[in-house]
Amino acid sequence: GESVGLHLPTLSVQEGDNSIINCAYSNSASDYFIWYKQESGKGPQFIIDIRSNMDKRQGQRVTVLLNKTVKHLSLQIAATQPGDSAVYFCAETGANSKLTFGKGITLSVRP
Amino acid sequence: SQTIHQWPATLVQPVGSPLSLECTVEGTSNPNLYWYRQAAGRGLQLLFYSVGIGQISSEVPQNLSASRPQDRQFILSSKKLLLSDSGFYLCAWDRTSSYEQYFGPGTRLTVT
Repeated sequence: GESVGLHLPTLSVQEGDNSIINCAYSNSASDYFIWYKQESGKGPQFIIDIRSNMDKRQGQRVTVLLNKTVKHLSLQIAATQPGDSAVYFCAETGANSKLTFGKGITLSVRP
Repeated sequence: SQTIHQWPATLVQPVGSPLSLECTVEGTSNPNLYWYRQAAGRGLQLLFYSVGIGQISSEVPQNLSASRPQDRQFILSSKKLLLSDSGFYLCAWDRTSSYEQYFGPGTRLTVT
């Protein structure tokens, strides 16, 4: 079936370095993708989104890249800070236009 | 501005007891409403969604049920809890015209 998955369960980065979180999706018909950040014990919070007619979108310190050819989505965080430590989810629109979430990856920032 | 509330924040219940979790949204009308469950170290599993009062769609067969008695109120229930019902329950809403979902603070349920 259709699925959204993440390649790695955890990512550890040095404070100040750039982080890259990757996500693979399998539904070639998806036209909308979102990255969420979930801090411990809280609900997910929207970070950035991208539509399938784009291949790159930038926000404040974050960039989302979409490669439709290989069905790959990535989130880049510039100058990673301790406050960036969280679980990150990618999500795509599914067959019924509802969001399907990936498994999640934990980003750990080393001081 | 819109806000979403969930209560209780934490709950410990024995196996076989009933469950009622409540979610309310403020500052918007006719939202789509969602219940998700998140097991420890796992992703979000969509349980139910609702596009209007009394309209409930179930995504996963289980011993849980959902109801929407009012436009901005969404309730998750169970008659008899199982150990496997433990998890972090999240309510979310979105507008019909948008895919972006806004999440509540969640309820941590532990079934003992």
